[in-house]
Amino acid sequence: AQKVTQAQTEISVVEKEDVTLDCVYETRDTTYYLFWYKQPPSGELVFLIRRNSFDEQNEISGRYSWNFQKSTSSFNFTITASQVVDSAVYFCALSESYGGSQGNLIFGKGTKLSVKP
Amino acid sequence: EAGVAQSPRYKIIEKRQSVAFWCNPISGHATLYWYQQILGQGPKLLIQFQNNGVVDDSQLPKDRFSAERLKGVDSTLKIQPAKLEDSAVYLCASSLDSLGDEQYFGPGTRLTVT
Repeated sequence: AQKVTQAQTEISVVEKEDVTLDCVYETRDTTYYLFWYKQPPSGELVFLIRRNSFDEQNEISGRYSWNFQKSTSSFNFTITASQVVDSAVYFCALSESYGGSQGNLIFGKGTKLSVKP
Repeated sequence: EAGVAQSPRYKIIEKRQSVAFWCNPISGHATLYWYQQILGQGPKLLIQFQNNGVVDDSQLPKDRFSAERLKGVDSTLKIQPAKLEDSAVYLCASSLDSLGDEQYFGPGTRLTVT
């Protein structure tokens, strides 16, 4: 069955520390997509990144980087030199092509990140 | 480019009353989704439309929830009658197509059922 696990419920760091948010997924599909979304206190989900199952290249965007490893079914997210504005709930999500559920996102429970000044 | 619009932003009703939420997706986006997000959890899909047809409504409690997307543009989600456990944020999202496309979310409607 498809599933996304974010084992870290809450993380608290001090500004400028690096932090890694873990995401482990389960799927029987060979074609799938993985996403990260940010939900700041305002509530609106903001898209951060998408990876397809055939592209295991790591990606870096400014202070953000993502490590996709199919061998361990993980798609981890690292924030380098964290800032207070990074405080939010971060969701990892999976989208499969199996059956009729094409495109809809299966979300983890989220990790609440608090960055203190 | 305008984002996904939702209204109202907040709604408080008593149990057994009915309520409706409205969503206008990003222009040109064929696929529209309604998600329910209960406090402390990730969003859960209720229904997915491709243009004006339903793709997936397997998790929609059809005895009380209904949704439509007339003309393949904006959409309405209705709850009748509401239960206490329906208290949640209802999120609307849209994407260009379906599989693999990033979804853009609206600000959500926070529903409180008392």
